[in-house]
Formats: sequence, structure tokens, C-alpha cells
Amino acid sequence: DTEVTQTPKHLVMGMTNKKSLKCEQHMGHRAMYWYKQKAKKPPELMFVYSYEKLSINESVPSRFSPECPNSSLLNLHLHALQPEDSALYLCASSPYSSGYGYTFGSGTRLTVV
Amino acid sequence: SQQGEEDPQALSIQEGENATMNCSYKTSINNLQWYRQNSGRGLVHLILIRSNEREKHSGRLRVTLDTSKKSSSLLITASRAADTASYFCATDAFGNQFYFGTGTSLTVIP
Repeated sequence: DTEVTQTPKHLVMGMTNKKSLKCEQHMGHRAMYWYKQKAKKPPELMFVYSYEKLSINESVPSRFSPECPNSSLLNLHLHALQPEDSALYLCASSPYSSGYGYTFGSGTRLTVV
Repeated sequence: SQQGEEDPQALSIQEGENATMNCSYKTSINNLQWYRQNSGRGLVHLILIRSNEREKHSGRLRVTLDTSKKSSSLLITASRAADTASYFCATDAFGNQFYFGTGTSLTVIP
């Protein structure tokens, strides 16, 4: 299996809702990432997990809460989002050591209403 | 935060022509990678060049890296309509810090 699977593909949520994005990989990669991408912009790094521990948090608001329950799974819990949080959320994974390409999921298109 | 700048922002060429896009970055890196993105979906890894390499080829792709100038270029030869996409450079620094450049939107006209 050489894929990163993200679910759901599309999500519409209200500003008072709580929802979660899910990311799964079975390549044995030990680093996993969340990115946020607005239209016609590059992906912006949000969080990095290395060996299931949070290693980078790019000053992301607390309404985004990441979780890495095991080496194959990465979640992003969403609560009290704002309309400006509407974006494509991308998950990626890589072997921990440098020198390898990263594998990206196809993303979750999030709309906050 | 964003590591690099790419130019041009947009490029339109005829099928069969070559396309060149450039990337400049700010800090020391382990390697630099190029990705393609179609229609705002997932990114596809194209090629990786390590910091001790100067040039690398993969099919119709040629990548150069100049660490003294902190810059890289991606050349796509004999372009096809299917190459129409956004192209991003990304720098892989220590501690799994992986940041994208601003991107180049390539349109190949049949």
C-alpha cells in the first residue's frame, strides 16, 4: 500500500459544530503532517508528528487539535471554526529520515458556513 | 511559514516547448523536492535533489540545485497538455521541517 487516505473528501460544517478529519497510511512512515491550502496558494504547514509525538506546531489556533493515536493514523479535530478556515486540508507522510519524497493524500475540502 | 519563492507565477506555452520554473529558498536544507498539483487536489512527488547534488534527471524532468545561491530550477522538456498543473518546490530541512514555495501555474496549450 503506497497511499495516504484522507476522509472525508468533502465536509461542510457550521461554526458551532465539532468534526474530525482522518488520515491513514500503511507504509510504515513515522512522520505525518497536516497542511492547509487556500485557493491559488501553496500548502501551509500546520502540524508535524514524528514517532507519534507532536514535533512542530506552526502557531495554529487551538480550534484545530491534532491527534496521532498510532503510527498509521492522524486526526485533525475541528471545533468552533470560522469561515476563513475554509480550505483544502492535506495530510502527508514520510519516512522519518530525510532524503525521501513525501506522500500526500488527496485532501479534505472543508467549507465552514 | 513559507520557505521559498517561485517564478514565474504563471507560465503559458505551446505543446512541445520546454518549460522552466525557478525556486529560491532561505535556509539550509537537506534536500529540495518538486511536486505537481492538478485542480487543487493532492500533490504528486516529481523529483528530489539532495543538497550535495547539482543536477538530476527523471524522464522529461531536469532539476538543478545551487546551494550557494539557494536556488533551484525545474525544466520540463517537450511539454504536453497533460503537464498543465501547478508546480511547487519544497525544502526539506532538519527536524522534518517541510515548506513549500509559492508555486508556478503552468498551462500547456495543445
